[in-house]
Amino acid sequence: GAGVSQTPSNKVTEKGKYVELRCDPISGHTALYWYRQSLGQGPEFLIYFQGTGAADDSGLPNDRFFAVRPEGSVSTLKIQRTERGDSAVYLCASSLNRVVGRSSYNEQFFGPGTRLTVL
Amino acid sequence: ELKVEQNPLFLSMQEGKNYTIYCNYSTTSDRLYWYRQDPGKSLESLFVLLSNGAVKQEGRLMASLDTKARLSTLHITAAVHDLSATYFCAVAPRSSNYQLIWGAGTKLIIKP
Repeated sequence: GAGVSQTPSNKVTEKGKYVELRCDPISGHTALYWYRQSLGQGPEFLIYFQGTGAADDSGLPNDRFFAVRPEGSVSTLKIQRTERGDSAVYLCASSLNRVVGRSSYNEQFFGPGTRLTVL
Repeated sequence: ELKVEQNPLFLSMQEGKNYTIYCNYSTTSDRLYWYRQDPGKSLESLFVLLSNGAVKQEGRLMASLDTKARLSTLHITAAVHDLSATYFCAVAPRSSNYQLIWGAGTKLIIKP
């Protein structure tokens, strides 16, 4: 089946501009995550949705960052007044809670990412 | 502070050799994930380890989990060039059903 998709794949913008990044999760996955990854580093958690609500937004760096998932499927990450330090690859992942024996887990499946460059 | 440490962070090896990547973590957990990332690409799930003593194998890669030692290993047998990538481990703390704590990644280069 179709995996997680993200658009655009690349976004170049100027400092101070507003950008929106879109994520289309795997159909039926209730959980959705946004991460950002800088070169040579692991993913940095930004926000987690369970259904339509942001269950944990503790990773958002400041109030310029906001994300929505109005119908519990597609999500949009919004960045206002972009700064050069926002340049990174923004990754989206989705998961479905699974139970194996007495263990439950959420294997996260990642999209291809959006490379954001702020000039 | 929850920490996940991988070592080595960089590994260059010849084809045909064996090697092991280590993932140590500081929190109580019985769920650990290994991912692969090719340059410029996204993260691909390799293994999900759900209990102490769990072992999973796929081709030349084998992952294991020791929850008492808080250690997972990713063993590469008879490495081939196609396995060149960055490998990440990620730990799910027992206190959370969604959070992942990520290692910094191990960049693996396998020379033909």
